[in-house]
Amino acid sequence: AQSVTQLDSHVSVSEGTPVLLRCNYSSSYSPSLFWYVQHPNKGLQLLLKYTSAATLVKGINGFEAEFKKSETSFHLTKPSAHMSDAAEYFCVVTASNDYKLSFGAGTTVTVRA
Amino acid sequence: GAVVSQHPSRVICKSGTSVKIECRSLDFQATTMFWYRQFPKQSLMLMATSNEGSKATYEQGVEKDKFLINHASLTLSTLTVTSAHPEDSSFYICSAEGGESYEQYFGPGTRLTVT
Repeated sequence: AQSVTQLDSHVSVSEGTPVLLRCNYSSSYSPSLFWYVQHPNKGLQLLLKYTSAATLVKGINGFEAEFKKSETSFHLTKPSAHMSDAAEYFCVVTASNDYKLSFGAGTTVTVRA
Repeated sequence: GAVVSQHPSRVICKSGTSVKIECRSLDFQATTMFWYRQFPKQSLMLMATSNEGSKATYEQGVEKDKFLINHASLTLSTLTVTSAHPEDSSFYICSAEGGESYEQYFGPGTRLTVT
């Protein structure tokens, strides 16, 4: 079984400042990890994914995440927030032997002008 | 890229009626499709997994007779909410597994409101 904990339910940043969204996971098998973004009343868009290759993963829109096995973490960062980054972000895990996705509770990001 | 569509995007129905939601993979064949439910300001919860040509696999606590899933082709899965009640009001999202990387591609969601 696998699970995800997103440590912050809400993150507020000023435009142009860094964004950090924290995610910890547990998995009995080698995990694949994803970050998705959801804008209001929209579906999910994949930002990036880790599938046992490079531990530092670069995604779209300037986001990146680092897989740290020793800390069971997969935190999402962006060096400079943009107003369009305001959305809901989900950390997701799936085990190598299971196609099912386990979603974190989500982190709401607001960006102040 | 892989695109998944859902229809309708919004639907309002009266209590006791049935509603069908379609999920289509537009540019790839999806051997497996998933249906999720999302309550306001909450995360996605997997309802069921459908494989083309076979019965869907429902998650614990999901009523299979209430949420009928049909995966008739490699590009289409349907979710029918039967005898809908106000508590069924929710955002329903489908995803399709396929394409070159076998990752899940999500549809834009369907907002169901039962009055």
